[in-house]
Amino acid sequence: EPEVTQTPSHQVTQMGQEVILRCVPISNHLYFYWYRQILGQKVEFLVSFYNNEISEKSEIFDDQFSVERPDGSNFTLKIRSTKLEDSAMYFCATSAHQRNEQFFGPGTRLTVL
Amino acid sequence: KNQVEQSPQSLIILEGKNCTLQCNYTVSPFSNLRWYKQDTGRGPVSLTIMTFSENTKSNGRYTATLDADTKQSSLHITASQLSDSASYICVVSAGNAGNMLTFGGGTRLMVKP
Repeated sequence: EPEVTQTPSHQVTQMGQEVILRCVPISNHLYFYWYRQILGQKVEFLVSFYNNEISEKSEIFDDQFSVERPDGSNFTLKIRSTKLEDSAMYFCATSAHQRNEQFFGPGTRLTVL
Repeated sequence: KNQVEQSPQSLIILEGKNCTLQCNYTVSPFSNLRWYKQDTGRGPVSLTIMTFSENTKSNGRYTATLDADTKQSSLHITASQLSDSASYICVVSAGNAGNMLTFGGGTRLMVKP
């Protein structure tokens, strides 16, 4: 069964450093999303991406964040200058159509020290 | 502001018993409601998706109901198994923001032998 994959599974970084989280979507999916889940809290929407541009973003997704699909397969989330409060699980999700079921990846646990 | 509230926050039941989880939402305009299962440290996995016109939907031992008038949904688990131990998350999609999902805080279910 096709699945969304994410790398790395765990990333530890120093405050102020840049990190790039990677996601490989299911092959025929066209809509891509990033979510985050701070330990013990709700899953929160960050951004949706379609046709090589951002369709929607939340208040959390400020100028420190960016997304791109550099090679037509990987979908990346970049955090330019990490803060302690960026420590969370980051989930990528993809769907075939806008309102279809979203399939989530296993997540990347980001720890900012 | 779109919100999704779930109850109870946590629940312990014996293997083989049934249980019902509740979800109330204030999301407008409503597009669809989803129930996800999330194992600790893993990405959410979709159980059901219901649109405005659907009152009930089943997926094996999981049955979800939706009352769009009262903005309530429930997830009923029949004949629980140890593997049902997880968080169950109610997620609502707004009609004017089809990509952006609003997550509830989840009900943490523990099934004991």
